[in-house]
Amino acid sequence: NAGVTQTPKFRILKIGQSMTLQCAQDMNHNYMYWYRQDPGMGLKLIYYSVGAGITDKGEVPNGYNVSRSTTEDFPLRLELAAPSQTSVYFCASRTGGSVQPQHFGDGTRLSIL
Amino acid sequence: ILNVEQSPQSLHVQEGDSTNFTCSFPSSNFYALHWYRWETAKSPEALFVMTLNGDEKKKGRISATLNTKEGYSYLYIKGSQPEDSATYLCAQEGGSEKLVFGKGTKLTVNP
Repeated sequence: NAGVTQTPKFRILKIGQSMTLQCAQDMNHNYMYWYRQDPGMGLKLIYYSVGAGITDKGEVPNGYNVSRSTTEDFPLRLELAAPSQTSVYFCASRTGGSVQPQHFGDGTRLSIL
Repeated sequence: ILNVEQSPQSLHVQEGDSTNFTCSFPSSNFYALHWYRWETAKSPEALFVMTLNGDEKKKGRISATLNTKEGYSYLYIKGSQPEDSATYLCAQEGGSEKLVFGKGTKLTVNP
């Protein structure tokens, strides 16, 4: 059971480039989340989804887009990378409809130069 | 936006010491309180999810209590070991599907 899988683990981008961070879970979880973690700032929610075809903004959505075409996958897209998006990105998932913990992926470390 | 505060920011203890830290959250619109353990270079792992006022949960040497009326939760570690060194995160769930995380308490246990 792989849990939550994030790819890539590391990436360096140039300003203005675009990329997609992949997140997949094999636990049949309805709810999926994207967070960014900056030093001293804790986890900030970027976007979340409560099921296929449904997404909503979190606290810091600007500069990002998401889609949820299947239950398993929740990719995060950066269209025009900016230095402020240098961060560690975590994807998480959990069962919906009850109070359950989130399961996190191992993170993607992204640097934009 | 809910405001979840954790204190202290960091803590150094000796092996064998018992320790505790605090998570404060708005008592209105409370649904659940989550605790996670986050080791360096790894991903956060769930410790507890608590919902009821007065709730107490225990996992080995780690336990947590919850006071929803006054808006705080304590995490206790009995007889700290070096492998307990990690950042401990709490998060409030306010009835939506979202969690709001505190900034964490970084615990270092010296052998």
